[in-house]
Amino acid sequence: DVKVTQSSRYLVKRTGEKVFLECVQDMDHENMFWYRQDPGLGLRLIYFSYDVKMKEKGDIPEGYSVSREKKERFSLILESASTNQTSMYLCASSFVAAAKVGGNSPLHFGNGTRLTVT
Amino acid sequence: SQQGEEDPQALSIQEGENATMNCSYKTSINNLQWYRQNSGRGLVHLILIRSNEREKHSGRLRVTLDTSKKSSSLLITASRAADTASYFCATDRGIYQETSGSRLTFGEGTQLTVNP
Repeated sequence: DVKVTQSSRYLVKRTGEKVFLECVQDMDHENMFWYRQDPGLGLRLIYFSYDVKMKEKGDIPEGYSVSREKKERFSLILESASTNQTSMYLCASSFVAAAKVGGNSPLHFGNGTRLTVT
Repeated sequence: SQQGEEDPQALSIQEGENATMNCSYKTSINNLQWYRQNSGRGLVHLILIRSNEREKHSGRLRVTLDTSKKSSSLLITASRAADTASYFCATDRGIYQETSGSRLTFGEGTQLTVNP
């Protein structure tokens, strides 16, 4: 089974701190994603990466950056944490779609990191 | 608003009953996927249906897709207490990128409670 591991289940940080959220997958997936999940807003894509050192902005990239130095690891960075970044953060990975018709392969998610910024 | 929107927002049924959840979307898609999330955990992929398919089965799950109405439904038959979870539909936006495939957009989910 694919395993996507997020380094922390719960994290409490102070406003202005630099925060690193780490994610590792063990299935050699090309794609990796960071989402945040908030009540009433569902899952929103922050950033994704389709290869080592490659990244693309999602729908809500402001206030975040990412790093992908190795294929299996994708880090989300909050340069200066703010209270409105309190949320559940979900990492996911997938293969690149094999064919244009049919689109994406399924996402495999980690168990999430619940971040509280005080 | 979200590309995929689930209906109802919450559903409470008795064990053994069937549960039906619906998803509507706005733009054309390549495929639609359903995911399940247990409380406080990540999402787990359940089933993928492609735009040229109308119905798909997996165990007690049945998914239909009506591209003319831009809607999908997930039916869970003979529900169990362990089916209690949130269920999300996810759609790509019909825009395929050579480097990464399509990007999924998730709805807000249906919270299903199955009472023993």
